[in-house]
Amino acid sequence: GAVVSQHPSRVICKSGTSVKIECRSLDFQATTMFWYRQFPKKSLMLMATSNEGSKATYEQGVEKDKFLINHASLTLSTLTVTSAHPEDSSFYICSASQDRGQPQHFGDGTRLSIL
Amino acid sequence: AQSVAQPEDQVNVAEGNPLTVKCTYSVSGNPYLFWYVQYPNRGLQFLLKYITGDNLVKGSYGFEAEFNKSQTSFHLKKPSALVSDSALYFCAVRDRNNAGNMLTFGGGTRLMVKP
Repeated sequence: GAVVSQHPSRVICKSGTSVKIECRSLDFQATTMFWYRQFPKKSLMLMATSNEGSKATYEQGVEKDKFLINHASLTLSTLTVTSAHPEDSSFYICSASQDRGQPQHFGDGTRLSIL
Repeated sequence: AQSVAQPEDQVNVAEGNPLTVKCTYSVSGNPYLFWYVQYPNRGLQFLLKYITGDNLVKGSYGFEAEFNKSQTSFHLKKPSALVSDSALYFCAVRDRNNAGNMLTFGGGTRLMVKP
């Protein structure tokens, strides 16, 4: 149980393109979803916390107009990287949680490469 | 505020030998503690958690961890390492008093098990 699906797994696109990443909880309802960014050989950096039906809470230094997050239902959150540039290239990972005290369950990540 | 320290960037161990990956934490209240494992180009997989109860927690793949409140530690252990255990390991903490479910991750420790 507790499967989180993240799609796509890899994206390669030109600079200026907007890219949408989906995160779905397949067998549970996720009251909260999290979006992380991971640089090579580094730990996870929390970008934002998203609760169903409300605006996402962004961490300090993360541009909310650059990284648009939508959590339209209890099983789906999306991250859109708008007008992506090479410096946005990274590994993006989502996670979902049912409630407090339960572990976050992670998607398999999306490797974004902007040319 | 909550924080996690993993003092070792890398741990090397021979196959069949016991392994320990260290983690210390800091929270203002009582902690929820988690260990995750990450394989290359994948998301994080949940290994085990400490919520309450016995200080020794057993998890997936033969891993266990011991919660030590006085030393604020939650070291990950396995009696006999396998080559397939080679991966990146993350310790994470959440303060029980934290209204959300946000985790703070350590910097990660790369485990290398050599045949």
